Amino acid sequence: ETGVTQTPRHLVMGMTNKKSLKCEQHLGHNAMYWYKQSAKKPLELMFVYSLEERVENNSVPSRFSPECPNSSHLFLHLHTLQPEDSALYLCASSQEGGQRDTEAFFGQGTRLTVV
Amino acid sequence: GQQVMQIPQYQHVQEGEDFTTYCNSSTTLSNIQWYKQRPGGHPVFLIQLVKSGEVKKQKRLTFQFGEAKKNSSLHITATQTTDVGTYFCAGSTNAGKSTFGDGTTLTVKP
Repeated sequence: ETGVTQTPRHLVMGMTNKKSLKCEQHLGHNAMYWYKQSAKKPLELMFVYSLEERVENNSVPSRFSPECPNSSHLFLHLHTLQPEDSALYLCASSQEGGQRDTEAFFGQGTRLTVV
Repeated sequence: GQQVMQIPQYQHVQEGEDFTTYCNSSTTLSNIQWYKQRPGGHPVFLIQLVKSGEVKKQKRLTFQFGEAKKNSSLHITATQTTDVGTYFCAGSTNAGKSTFGDGTTLTVKP
């Protein structure tokens, strides 16, 4: 148990579907992240939320839409994905304070397959 | 922008041999973190180094932070099959978030 829970663990979706990934952290952290992990790029930062505000968006296509309703929850809404979007999507959280973040705690990830 | 590079990308060793992975940053870091991801798992935090020249040990693992705070290494003595996985470094500057390296994947032949 890492304190960061992701659901679902596995997801298969068609290219015309709309689905959402959910992440919940029970650590009282104030920053949350979405990463994409694939054979092409081991850990690719997608979005960063700090104090519920998006502070970073690393040129992610608009078919990925994040949402952070509060400091404990993070969603990634998916629509009209492509097969190359198939990957492991990891959520992480950390505590921001002073000049540096604390270590990141990762969820177990959602294995996404787009067919 | 900040870049963090890790070498080698892959390392295959015989059980009992030593293993080292290196992490190099294009900018001076405020700290560096190391993570391990087992096959089929998620990255798990191992350690954080903050001071110039710092050396920390966890059993068979030795972590070093360079004097210039731009590089780091992780050394495993006498590898075991339980050491298999991908080891990531993540460097932070005073200004921004952590940047992960691409990882070194270690396989151990029994």
